[in-house]
Amino acid sequence: QVTLKESGPVLVKPTETLTLTCTVSGFSLSNARMGVSWIRQPPGKALEWLAHIFSNDEKSYSTSLKSRLTISKDTSKSQVVLTMTNMDPVDTATYYCARLNWNRHASLDYWGQGTLVTVSS
Amino acid sequence: EIVLTQSPGTLSLSPGERATLSCRASQSVSSSYLAWYQQKPGQAPRLLIYGASSRATGIPDRFSGSGSGTDFTLTISRLEPEDFAVYYCQQYGSSPFGGGTKVEIK
Repeated sequence: QVTLKESGPVLVKPTETLTLTCTVSGFSLSNARMGVSWIRQPPGKALEWLAHIFSNDEKSYSTSLKSRLTISKDTSKSQVVLTMTNMDPVDTATYYCARLNWNRHASLDYWGQGTLVTVSS
Repeated sequence: EIVLTQSPGTLSLSPGERATLSCRASQSVSSSYLAWYQQKPGQAPRLLIYGASSRATGIPDRFSGSGSGTDFTLTISRLEPEDFAVYYCQQYGSSPFGGGTKVEIK
């Protein structure tokens, strides 16, 4: 079955760089019909889409956060990595990865459980 | 960049009532790529509707989606206790979400 699992630090300090890993199973990152998005949600607030990577390694980023984000993938390890530089307390949020499925009209059909990242000194 | 505006922000209804949620786009979008998600407290979002009107696997038929162009609607025909949650629309899996509509018990 399809699963996605986020991993990374629980706590980061202001100005540090956050690195999160999404490990997927049940599908291949080389599948042309699939991709992976990162989404975050500050406590009590709405979902915010961050970045996406396609099977051909094409990437897209949130306009407002583009300068701070880098997304990459290691197909052999079934992992997608998101880095966010210059972390600030306002970046405290639950970070999710999700599968984009072209067979479902480019919707996010499977989600990880999310990982809460707190930014504090 | 297309902006999705959801209304109302909060919908207060009783179980058994009909819920109508709106998602309006700042410019015309392809209905093929409009999706709706449900999120309950402490849980990851779940795909409800894709392609504006197709129910995802396992979604009950009381959930339906419609619309085209700039106006899309999610309808829950008869609210069940488990349907009280926050609902988000998104044009495309790699694009911004709407701000969400919370459906709460009246």
